[in-house]
Amino acid sequence: DAGITQSPRHKVTETGTPVTLRCHQTENHRYMYWYRQDPGHGLRLIHYSYGVKDTDKGEVSDGYSVSRSKTEDFLLTLESATSSQTSVYFCAISTGTGANYGYTFGSGTRLTVV
Amino acid sequence: QQQVKQSPQSLIVQKGGISIINCAYENTAFDYFPWYQQFPGKGPALLIAIRPDVSEKKEGRFTISFNKSAKQFSLHIMDSQPGDSATYFCAANNQGGKLIFGQGTELSVKP
Repeated sequence: DAGITQSPRHKVTETGTPVTLRCHQTENHRYMYWYRQDPGHGLRLIHYSYGVKDTDKGEVSDGYSVSRSKTEDFLLTLESATSSQTSVYFCAISTGTGANYGYTFGSGTRLTVV
Repeated sequence: QQQVKQSPQSLIVQKGGISIINCAYENTAFDYFPWYQQFPGKGPALLIAIRPDVSEKKEGRFTISFNKSAKQFSLHIMDSQPGDSATYFCAANNQGGKLIFGQGTELSVKP
């Protein structure tokens, strides 16, 4: 399995504070993604990266920023957390090719904004 | 254009029965359709996938049926087991490798 870890696993933060979530991979994959998971909405793409310092927005990027200064690390920052950002956040890397193409997900970060 | 619609939202099946989850899409440029399985507290994991040049793909008890003209695809779980109880997501690749996910189906298989 591709080594992908997310930290922290759980976080409670107050409205208006900045929060950074970290995704770390050990296998030098080029593409990395941040999704949020909410009941009734499935997984929605926040931001993605196709290389160091190359990032782009997904469908729900408002209120989020990302950075990728090294291949192995992809950071998601909530500049000023709001209650609507309470969610489970998943990082993913794309792996394989052709019939074996897919995403490998981390175990997620459960974020609660109070 | 970018949506993938999944149904039902939840499903209860008896052990040994067939579980069927359906997805529909709008964008005809989608070229890859995977299904993911997620257990509580874990990230989704790739279960099975299909490309639009075939109408069916089977792996063990799991089968994807694909109807290109109707823009629909479905997951069939034969001989469903309690260990299959999980949340299932369909997805579609919108080119460039970004997956668009359905809303998810919570499957419960009763012993």
